[in-house]
Amino acid sequence: NAGVMQNPRHLVRRRGQEARLRCSPMKGHSHVYWYRQLPEEGLKFMVYLQKENIIDESGMPKERFSAEFPKEGPSILRIQQVVRGDSAAYFCASSPLAGRGETQYFGPGTRLLVL
Amino acid sequence: GQQLNQSPQSMFIQEGEDVSMNCTSSSIFNTWLWYKQDPGEGPVLLIALYKAGELTSNGRLTAQFGITRKDSFLNISASIPSDVGIYFCAGQPPTTSGTYKYIFGTGTRLKVLA
Repeated sequence: NAGVMQNPRHLVRRRGQEARLRCSPMKGHSHVYWYRQLPEEGLKFMVYLQKENIIDESGMPKERFSAEFPKEGPSILRIQQVVRGDSAAYFCASSPLAGRGETQYFGPGTRLLVL
Repeated sequence: GQQLNQSPQSMFIQEGEDVSMNCTSSSIFNTWLWYKQDPGEGPVLLIALYKAGELTSNGRLTAQFGITRKDSFLNISASIPSDVGIYFCAGQPPTTSGTYKYIFGTGTRLKVLA
């Protein structure tokens, strides 16, 4: 059973470009969470999605950031018009259910560098 | 908002020593998870705790869910060089909206001196 897959592992963008980060959850998992980690800091929740639905986006910046989890295919975190402050590691986690006590399994992350 | 204070922030220890770290909050949590993150990788789940007072072991790791539900502890016995990394706690607070999510601590950076 493959784990959570994320690609690309590293992404370099110039200011103003778009960044698209992909996450394939573990097989059988229909709940996806995106987190951002700045250097030397912990993980900050961004958004929680189920298939075709955004459940909680309370941690997502209001502008330039969007996320989707289509019926088919991976979840996508999209950052438009990137700025230097967007440089961070972005992690995706998945769980089979979303109830109390459900554990989350993380992917290896995408490290975004904005020049 | 809810916050988790994780301490110590970093520690250097000699190989073979025991390690203790903790997470505390002013809010209660229903579940505690402990993760380890190696450089350049994603967090890997170590231990999950579901009930106040619960004590769970995974090899040389032992974690406890505090009785007050506001804290959790992780101990590593007889540390080895591969224990180096960042250890994160994550707490799942009660919810009234039906949306369950985790709040992460800021991490304890462990370095082991051979």
